[in-house]
This record gives sequence, structure tokens and C-alpha cells, in this order.
Amino acid sequence: AQSVTQPDIHITVSEGASLELRCNYSYGATPYLFWYVQSPGQGLQLLLKYFSGDTLVQGIKGFEAEFKRSQSSFNLRKPSVHWSDAAEYFCAVVPISGTYKYIFGTGTRLKVLA
Amino acid sequence: DADVTQTPRNRITKTGKRIMLECSQTKGHDRMYWYRQDPGLGLQLIYYSFDVKDINKGEISDGYSVSRQAQAKFSLSLESAIPNQTALYFCATSDPTGTGAGELFFGEGSRLTVL
Repeated sequence: AQSVTQPDIHITVSEGASLELRCNYSYGATPYLFWYVQSPGQGLQLLLKYFSGDTLVQGIKGFEAEFKRSQSSFNLRKPSVHWSDAAEYFCAVVPISGTYKYIFGTGTRLKVLA
Repeated sequence: DADVTQTPRNRITKTGKRIMLECSQTKGHDRMYWYRQDPGLGLQLIYYSFDVKDINKGEISDGYSVSRQAQAKFSLSLESAIPNQTALYFCATSDPTGTGAGELFFGEGSRLTVL
């Protein structure tokens, strides 16, 4: 079955530490890939997206993600986390064929320690 | 003003009541969506509309209905609310561009509590 998996429900890091949030998908062909961030009390905001081309994608707020076809993964990274990065992060995919419906992972909640 | 506006932002109601959540957008997008967010479940698609005359069910449409009154307005109704419809509801829009899958733009959410 088609699915998006974010294996980490909660992650805690210290401010200034590096961060990697995992996302794996299960689809027959490479879908469009997205990462969104949800700050407390807010809607979701796009961090970055991958459609094709360079597999390392740069986004806003210093985030980047790397698409690895062999692992069906699209992990989100940041070299140095800031306290303001505390939020919930969602990976999403859109199958290339069909109705272009977005399918979201269950989210990873990031806590940042001062 | 926000590009995607949801009203009300918070609502408490009782079982059996009819509730309408409204969404309006100023982005000029044809595609609009309603999602439900529950802790630990991510976002689940309730309904989506690719234009005024095109409305489609999502993964969890049972107990919900929608109306696309205009390109800019997309309303979600709960005909007879029940407690397990307590959740945070999001409206979103998108412009597919040439790739077929553009960025989703979200409202700030409508928190619904059904007692």
C-alpha cells in the first residue's frame, strides 16, 4: 500500500546541535516530495520541495533535504538548530500520476533544549 | 490579511448539532482542500475541489459535506456532529503549476470540540 512514514514521533535536541528528521515513502514511482513545518497554533508552512533534478534541496530557515531513491527516503536536515525551530514537521508526498492528492506523514515533534 | 482565512477559529458545540466551517482565499487558486488533524495521525484529507464544479471525497469524508460557493470559498459542514469529530481542521489551497503538484497554502485552522 502507498504510505509515508515518519518513524520518529518526538525528537529532542540541544540548541546548536545538528538535526535530521526521517521520512520514507512507499510508492511505485518517485512522487513529488515536500516538508512542511507547523509552529504552535499555526497552519503548515512549506519548508522545501523536490520534484526532480539535484537530490539535495535547500529550503527556508536553513533547512535542507536529500532525496535518496535507493532508500525511498527524503530526510530533512539542519546543521545547527535554533530554539525557534521547535515545532512539528510533516513530510508529504504527491504521486505523480492520478489526482495529485497530498499524503502526509504522521509528523515529528521537535523540542529544542536551551 | 491572511491569504487563506478560516472561520471560526474555535468552536465548541454539542452532539447532534450542525456545524459549518468556512474558508476563503485571496490567492486565486482553483484547488482547495479540507484536512483534519488529530494528534499522532498527521493530516487526513476530507474533501478536495479542483474547481467550482469539481468536488471529490478524500480519505475520511463520512459524516462531512462540502460546498464550493465560488472559486474563493469552500465550506465544510458537519450535519450532525459527534464527539469523535473533535479535531483541528485545516483548509488549504494550491496552484498546480506545470508540474501538477504545487505548494499547499494553509489557513490557521479551526479547532472544533464536540461535547
